[in-house]
Amino acid sequence: DADVTQTPRNRITKTGKRIMLECSQTKGHDRMYWYRQDPGLGLRLIYYSFDVKDINKGEISDGYSVSRQAQAKFSLSLESAIPNQTALYFCAICGDYSYNEQFFGPGTRLTVL
Amino acid sequence: QQQVKQSPQSLIVQKGGISIINCAYENTAFDYFPWYQQFPGKGPALLIAIRPDVSEKKEGRFTISFNKSAKQFSLHIMDSQPGDSATYFCAASIGNFGNEKLTFGTGTRLTIIP
Repeated sequence: DADVTQTPRNRITKTGKRIMLECSQTKGHDRMYWYRQDPGLGLRLIYYSFDVKDINKGEISDGYSVSRQAQAKFSLSLESAIPNQTALYFCAICGDYSYNEQFFGPGTRLTVL
Repeated sequence: QQQVKQSPQSLIVQKGGISIINCAYENTAFDYFPWYQQFPGKGPALLIAIRPDVSEKKEGRFTISFNKSAKQFSLHIMDSQPGDSATYFCAASIGNFGNEKLTFGTGTRLTIIP
C-alpha cells in the first residue's frame, strides 16, 4: 500500500462550490503538508502541520483552509472554489528529524469551471 | 518573492549526454538543498540532496555541485538515459528541527532523446 493516499485523484467542480481534498498516511509521521503545482510555477506551499494541534499557513493560503483530524489525516478545503484554483494538489509527509525527506502523495487534479 | 530560481525551464539532451540544471537561492540561512524528480502522473520523489558543508555529492549518475559563495547549486546527470525524462525540482530549506519547509524552484522538464 502507498505511504500517502490522496482522494479524490481527479475532481471537476463549479465556481462557488465547496470542495475537500483528503490526505491520509500510514508512516506515522507528524509533519504533513499541502502544495499546489502549476505549470511554470513549481510547487508552492499552502498549509503545513507539525502535529495535530499545530497548523500553519504557507506561501499561498488565501482561499484555502485545512483540518488535521488525526495524526494520519490532513484535509484541504476550498470554501468557495474559483477557476484560478485549478491545479494539481499534492499532500506530503515528513519524519520528525532534521534534513528529512518529504514523501509525496500521487496528487489530485482539480478543475474549477 | 521567489527565493529559489531554477533554469532552464525545459531541456532536451541526447541519450548518453550530460544534463545540467541550475538553481540559485537568495536566503543565506538555507542549509539543505534537495532535488526532486517527478514522472508524469506521480508525485515528486527525492533524488539526491546536499548540505553546504560539501561542494559536491555524487550518487550514481547524479551529482550535485554546490557553490556557497555564489549561492548556486546544480544537478548533473551523466550518461543521460530516456528513463531520466522527467520534471526536476530543486529546493531549499532551513533544516533546524521544527522548521523544515521546502522552498521549491519552478521546475525543469527534461527530455532525453534516443
